[in-house]
Amino acid sequence: QSVLTQPPSVSAAPGQKVTISCSGSSSNIGNNYVSWYQQLPGTAPKLLIYDNSKRPSGIPDRFSGSKSGTSVTLGITGLQTGDEADYYCGTWDSSLSAGVFGGGTKLTVL
Amino acid sequence: QVQLQESGPGLVKPSQTLSLTCTVSGNSISSGGHYWSWIRRPAGEGLEWIGRIYINGNTNYNPSLKSRVTISIDTSMNQFSLKLSSVTAADTAVYYCARDYRWTTFDIWGQGTMVTVSP
Repeated sequence: QSVLTQPPSVSAAPGQKVTISCSGSSSNIGNNYVSWYQQLPGTAPKLLIYDNSKRPSGIPDRFSGSKSGTSVTLGITGLQTGDEADYYCGTWDSSLSAGVFGGGTKLTVL
Repeated sequence: QVQLQESGPGLVKPSQTLSLTCTVSGNSISSGGHYWSWIRRPAGEGLEWIGRIYINGNTNYNPSLKSRVTISIDTSMNQFSLKLSSVTAADTAVYYCARDYRWTTFDIWGQGTMVTVSP
């Protein structure tokens, strides 16, 4: 059971938009920055979003992040088949003094 | 640019100790004031944070693994290491080392190494 809660799967058609939610509590998301990671099959995770909504260099603006209270959301527009991957949210949990991840969301581009 | 590479045995027997090393290249492990972390992904499951170490040796561990985990750092070799004792089949996973840029923002990852726990 993950500390952060994500939907197991989401799907959408190419060109469409999808959102992936991640919910937590005041000890993690509510008071710490959140990052999002994309893990393509057979590869290491890749940082997509950090500090809730910032994109590292090289990440297209099709990817966006937002935060409200103890939840965060990853948005992906203009879906491409190459976006099919597992997506994870992650942050620090101040009560546990440990890093925590969501259970992951598998994105299928139909 | 900074690169990370995991190394260690791919097969460990139950009850033994899993040992992995992460070699940092492209910059000194001591520069930048970053934490250095270990993360794993069991087959069919999600990412699990194992723990992290700072250049001064300070560590934080996942409470569920804390009794079995030791992370150490060797700044002279530009490496940090993971030891996980008393392993079982549940510890079978792909293990990643990663640079913790700031408060669990993992901006650089190793390619990962598969470790199987089996007799």
